[in-house]
Amino acid sequence: QQQVKQSPQSLIVQKGGISIINCAYENTAFDYFPWYQQFPGKGPALLIAIRPDVSEKKEGRFTISFNKSAKQFSLHIMDSQPGDSATYFCAARARSGAGNMLTFGGGTRLMVKP
Amino acid sequence: KAGVTQTPRYLIKTRGQQVTLSCSPISGHRSVSWYQQTPGQGLQFLFEYFSETQRNKGNFPGRFSGRQFSNSRSEMNVSTLELGDSALYLCASSPGQWQGYTFGSGTRLTVV
Repeated sequence: QQQVKQSPQSLIVQKGGISIINCAYENTAFDYFPWYQQFPGKGPALLIAIRPDVSEKKEGRFTISFNKSAKQFSLHIMDSQPGDSATYFCAARARSGAGNMLTFGGGTRLMVKP
Repeated sequence: KAGVTQTPRYLIKTRGQQVTLSCSPISGHRSVSWYQQTPGQGLQFLFEYFSETQRNKGNFPGRFSGRQFSNSRSEMNVSTLELGDSALYLCASSPGQWQGYTFGSGTRLTVV
């Protein structure tokens, strides 16, 4: 019930195209859904996050779409650039006791071709 | 503002040894969490500390332990290292009120 399933595992997009990564979850106690971007040799960096009372959030070229009834959320990268080539992780937060815990999806390796 | 600092960046240890990894959170952040990242298992939660108290623990054996000091700096320790402990260990900090994590660049541990 704690799993977050992410697809696809890898994605190749042409420069200027739209990259779409999908995630699905089961635990209805999740209450915060971030997306992280990770470059080789670096830790994950927060890109954008959404709470389940909002259906869409946009920040620059990055948009999260959230479907609470389907328990799915997705990341759209508009006008994809070669510099966006990285691994992307979706995640979901659950409160655990007094603390917090993120459950991560398996990651999507994005390559944007020039 | 300095980010989350993890030391050392790389470490090679032999099976059976123990290792201590260090994390300095962003100034003012009181919560520190640790995650293990491997190609096979992905990112997995190890534990969370807040004000020197462990308030959350993931599903890892007792060989994995940690602590937090009064200045919010944290250490994690792995005893009796196994080959499967080879991983990138990531530390993340957040303010007391949940606002998401900021991750460090990690410590790459290789067990030979």
